[in-house]
Amino acid sequence: DGGITQSPKYLFRKEGQNVTLSCEQNLNHDAMYWYRQDPGQGLRLIYYSQIVNDFQKGDIAEGYSVSREKKESFPLTVTSAQKNPTAFYLCASSTRLAVDEQFFGPGTRLTVL
Amino acid sequence: AQRVTQPEKLLSVFKGAPVELKCNYSYSGSPELFWYVQYSRQRLQLLLRHISRESIKGFTADLNKGETSFHLKKPFAQEEDSAMYYCALDSSNTGKLIFGQGTTLQVKP
Repeated sequence: DGGITQSPKYLFRKEGQNVTLSCEQNLNHDAMYWYRQDPGQGLRLIYYSQIVNDFQKGDIAEGYSVSREKKESFPLTVTSAQKNPTAFYLCASSTRLAVDEQFFGPGTRLTVL
Repeated sequence: AQRVTQPEKLLSVFKGAPVELKCNYSYSGSPELFWYVQYSRQRLQLLLRHISRESIKGFTADLNKGETSFHLKKPFAQEEDSAMYYCALDSSNTGKLIFGQGTTLQVKP
């Protein structure tokens, strides 16, 4: 099953711990994105990357970090500085063309205890 | 600031009834607008984009710049249309999308 994958599906962490969410794609897409989905708030952009070794902050980047060392991979680290990390996280990818479709992963539900 | 507003959290209609999911945006330039859909236990996926001017699964959406709206319409709802629908805006042609809050469409038999 190709496309875009996220792991794990569910993740539990204790407060104060950093945690890294995985996102991999085999679509040969240049652009990748991380969103946070909360009930009643839609999707909010955390970070995005248009090309390898480059990324930009989205609307809610505080408390998060990313890397883009490979085209296929765009991991997201939720740090202890993120005040309310419990949420559903979605990764997406697209070609570099602006109006192209974004393809979404299945998501990771992070619960901080 | 760019913003997308979907005023209805939940829209409930009977099968065969017309459907209109509202989407309003704030952006002064020429926006690129999209509708994404998430069916139960499936991934979020693109339904349609305004630049294509296409009809997908019977749904259409027309950009009204005067009213800054991009409402999604279907003349006769089907039960399989039940899903969460998100309107999204790409204001700067970067692929960086701004999503609305989402509307859950419930089509009753």
